[in-house]
Amino acid sequence: DAGVIQSPRHEVTEMGQEVTLRCKPISGHDYLFWYRQTMMRGLELLIYFNNNVPIDDSGMPEDRFSAKMPNASFSTLKIQPSEPRDSAVYFCASSWTVNTEAFFGQGTRLTVV
Amino acid sequence: QQQVKQSPQSLIVQKGGISIINCAYENTAFDYFPWYQQFPGKGPALLIAIRPDVSEKKEGRFTISFNKSAKQFSLHIMDSQPGDSATYFCAAYSGGSNYKLTFGKGTLLTVNP
Repeated sequence: DAGVIQSPRHEVTEMGQEVTLRCKPISGHDYLFWYRQTMMRGLELLIYFNNNVPIDDSGMPEDRFSAKMPNASFSTLKIQPSEPRDSAVYFCASSWTVNTEAFFGQGTRLTVV
Repeated sequence: QQQVKQSPQSLIVQKGGISIINCAYENTAFDYFPWYQQFPGKGPALLIAIRPDVSEKKEGRFTISFNKSAKQFSLHIMDSQPGDSATYFCAAYSGGSNYKLTFGKGTLLTVNP
């Protein structure tokens, strides 16, 4: 398996634009997680899904953030409208069960100017 | 509220030396303590993990020491190598019906040749 695949690797956008980050989890994994990493706040869990259903989105910072998982092999994290403070590295991770190892993708570095 | 406190923020060790990273937690519901290793441009990857029913776990040059009464755990890297240079994150997990994997802020380890 190629691991968790995220796209794009880098995204530069202007403030106010819509940004969509994409994730393909490892096949067979029932859990998918979206994390955000910044120097100030470290790694923060934004939302996670179990069998394509959002379970906990309490980490989503604002209504400008939304996430979907239309099927077992694809998830998106959307920011609309984007702001400079959204600049961070966004990671997607997946795991078989809730308490087994989470495998992380390589991340998407988002810069909002 | 930072539930997992990690120190130091950065650490410089000579090749062959011992690297020690410490973490402390407050939530007694945590029942799984993984350490993640992250290289630049990559996502975090599970390095080693421990459950609170044991006081120590060793895998090669990496050892976790766990002190349940003090609510502290640490990572020891013996015979540190330049290839160990990375950011290390401790984490704590509380399971049950609501997944929560809380990360420390990370320690940037540099091993000089």
